[in-house]
Amino acid sequence: EDKVVQSPLSLVVHEGDTVTLNCSYEVTNFRSLLWYKQEKKAPTFLFMLTSSGIEKKSGRLSSILDKKELFSILNITATQTGDSAVYLCAVLINTDKLIFGTGTRLQVFP
Amino acid sequence: ETGVTQSPTHLIKTRGQQVTLRCSSQSGHNTVSWYQQALGQGPQFIFQYYREEENGRGNFPPRFSGLQFPNYSSELNVNALELDDSALYLCASGRGADNEQFFGPGTRLTVL
Repeated sequence: EDKVVQSPLSLVVHEGDTVTLNCSYEVTNFRSLLWYKQEKKAPTFLFMLTSSGIEKKSGRLSSILDKKELFSILNITATQTGDSAVYLCAVLINTDKLIFGTGTRLQVFP
Repeated sequence: ETGVTQSPTHLIKTRGQQVTLRCSSQSGHNTVSWYQQALGQGPQFIFQYYREEENGRGNFPPRFSGLQFPNYSSELNVNALELDDSALYLCASGRGADNEQFFGPGTRLTVL
């Protein structure tokens, strides 16, 4: 059975801290791995990773994929209160079917 | 804003009733997928439509059905509602394989 596991489930940090969110997966027909940020309702797209070892960056966020060890990490540096959200990792299999993890709830306090 | 819209925003139904949720895709997208997200969980894939045909289905019973229309809008129908159907229902549209999916704001369904 295809599965995506995220850790930790929950994280509480202070502004300015750096956090690392983990995502491991066991799926058939892997196509790519995606990270989403979900604040209230709609998950908003952060990154899509297809190739191993190539870091993607967007401001204070970065992510990398290891297809040999079947995991990805999402790093957030100099966290801000606006980073508080649930971060979802999903693996795209077949044609557009996303398998999601349960998410990591990040709370950033001032 | 992703350009994907859903209606209604919230809905309250009772057990045994039927419900129709609607989604309007982003312009230029030809796939629509539906997901169910229970509280504290990640979204679960229900099914996907491509060119008005079902193109893959998750582990949901037949009382979950859908339609996609020529203008790429879509409906999710759920018959014989059960309490466990209470969830956030998300639709996502995309341009096909290997492209990111963009999510709508969701419909919060409560079944009493």
